[in-house]
Amino acid sequence: AQTVTQSQPEMSVQEAETVTLSCTYDTSESNYYLFWYKQPPSRQMILVIRQEAYKQQNATENRFSVNFQKAAKSFSLKISDSQLGDTAMYFCAFMKPYGGSQGNLIFGKGTKLSVKP
Amino acid sequence: DSGVTQTPKHLITATGQRVTLRCSPRSGDLSVYWYQQSLDQGLQFLIQYYNGEERAKGNILERFSAQQFPDLHSELNLSSLELGDSALYFCASSKGGAKNIQYFGAGTRLSVL
Repeated sequence: AQTVTQSQPEMSVQEAETVTLSCTYDTSESNYYLFWYKQPPSRQMILVIRQEAYKQQNATENRFSVNFQKAAKSFSLKISDSQLGDTAMYFCAFMKPYGGSQGNLIFGKGTKLSVKP
Repeated sequence: DSGVTQTPKHLITATGQRVTLRCSPRSGDLSVYWYQQSLDQGLQFLIQYYNGEERAKGNILERFSAQQFPDLHSELNLSSLELGDSALYFCASSKGGAKNIQYFGAGTRLSVL
């Protein structure tokens, strides 16, 4: 079974600075997807970024980028130029696209990020 | 706005009761997923439907059931409710293939008193 671990329950960063959130996962699959979702106080789950395991290039979305290390099973999220609106819970998630349990997201416990003015 | 609509937003009920949570997927999406978010268990996958058929089951209790109707909306039925069922229940939808992104609704907050 796949597991996702986020070892930082809480983090804080000053506005305009850079912060990195950690995520590790365990799987025997070679093809899979990894995600970072953001959950602000509104509770809405918002997709931040997605990475396909067979793509070596790290995904980026504006101020958000990932460092995907497949051999180490590590998938960290870097937020540059942090903004107050980035304050939220961040969840790392794994998805297997084929076979049993395909398409279902397996989430980590989350990291609560506070951006301070 | 993700385009996924969940009703009601909040639900307060008593132990032993039965409730129904409703989800309308985004236009064109065939797959619906249900997730439960609780303090104890975190975010857990419950069940998935694709075009009216059950596709996968996760950690869903026998007291819980779901279905997807011909118009593709889905309902999650929770019965014999216990205090521990208090949680945020999310519905997500996607076009259907496992590679497609899941878009989440705003959730239904269930409080069992």
